[in-house]
Amino acid sequence: SQTIHQWPATLVQPVGSPLSLECTVEGTSNPNLYWYRQAAGRGLQLLFYSVGIGQISSEVPQNLSASRPQDRQFILSSKKLLLSDSGFYLCAWSTTGTGGQYFGPGTRLTVT
Amino acid sequence: GNSVTQMEGPVTLSEEAFLTINCTYTATGYPSLFWYVQYPGEGLQLLLKATKADDKGSNKGFEATYRKETTSFHLEKGSVQVSDSAVYFCALKRLGGADGLTFGKGTHLIIQP
Repeated sequence: SQTIHQWPATLVQPVGSPLSLECTVEGTSNPNLYWYRQAAGRGLQLLFYSVGIGQISSEVPQNLSASRPQDRQFILSSKKLLLSDSGFYLCAWSTTGTGGQYFGPGTRLTVT
Repeated sequence: GNSVTQMEGPVTLSEEAFLTINCTYTATGYPSLFWYVQYPGEGLQLLLKATKADDKGSNKGFEATYRKETTSFHLEKGSVQVSDSAVYFCALKRLGGADGLTFGKGTHLIIQP
């Protein structure tokens, strides 16, 4: 069966510091991968998605970036965090088709 | 563009009550439709889905029917339990695309014993 991991689970970082969040998927090959952000009391916002190694599509211009160095690894980064980057970051995977996306446990990021 | 509208709540019900959470959508073509559930501090779990008009998705006593004529996908359950307390998200996926889901803002459901 497929599993998706995210780490760290929680993170507190000062404004201006760098960020690296990691997501890995097991039990499937060549998945589509996604990063979402969920701000307090709001819905989910798609940040990036990837259909293959090195292929990244950005949905929202911001100070975040994403990379996919391996087939089942997806990384979310920032060089300098802003207060507005605080939120709950969720990674998800899917296969191409009509099926849904499957989410990881999330990372709670607080920028102070 | 695509959009999903759902009641935000909170919706408060007594145990064993009937549940309806409304969801309507705007999309080009014929998207796939989903309901997700999120328990406090956790990620989203896929609850059910429907991929074409008149399909009924069901899981754990929850049901939703894809209504193309009213562009709706309302979530229902005949008898809710305290353990159903969570936030429920309606979402759609563009047909044939690998891009992300479009989510509603979520409905916070509170079931009182």
